[in-house]
Amino acid sequence: QVQLQQWGAGLLKPSEPLSLTCAVYGGSFQDYYWSWIRQPPGKGLEWIGEINHSGTTNYSPSLKSRVTLSVDTSKNQFSLKLTSVTAADTAVYYCARTNYASFGPNDYWGQGILVTVSS
Amino acid sequence: IQMTQSPSSLSASVGDRVTITCRASQNIYSYLNWYQQKPGKAPNLLIYAASNFHSGVPSRFSGSGSGTDFTLTITSLQPEDFATYYCQQTYSTPLTFGGGTKVEVK
Repeated sequence: QVQLQQWGAGLLKPSEPLSLTCAVYGGSFQDYYWSWIRQPPGKGLEWIGEINHSGTTNYSPSLKSRVTLSVDTSKNQFSLKLTSVTAADTAVYYCARTNYASFGPNDYWGQGILVTVSS
Repeated sequence: IQMTQSPSSLSASVGDRVTITCRASQNIYSYLNWYQQKPGKAPNLLIYAASNFHSGVPSRFSGSGSGTDFTLTITSLQPEDFATYYCQQTYSTPLTFGGGTKVEVK
């Protein structure tokens, strides 16, 4: 049974960095990409980026200048850092597994963390 | 790649047949997935690669299409199916989602 558990600060001030981590339990860590997806309150889903076990990344062009994904294979964890946050970055942030062996769906998701940016 | 879902919302009754469409701005072959999301919860994968069931998904859900036009069908709507549904293309990065279709009680 694959489980993703995520954590990080839920309340930030403008210009502070956002930092979230996701731990993967069960299944293989090496055989998948690991993604971050966010959802502003009342809105749709936005893909942030993905990383694999060797550190290969793909980023959303709209966030690329502010996003860094990293991976710790010794702990089966991956992390998101987003710099210089504004109110527009207020959203529920999800981590998810991307299964490119099956045409790339996000087949397992973390529970989500609401990150609020407010002064 | 832009993903356009329609309708953005619909009202239906238990037992109804419901169809949601998703159109891609370019050919994505079969790299199309469908998710169901309930309030306060993470999305759940229903269908991957346009027409394949994710584990545990009831058979009343089905997906079809290829290229640019795709459909999610619920053959007999159940009370637990009232939710928002999203399509997603995974043909190329940046991966993109449709805007969502909210299925509400009529």
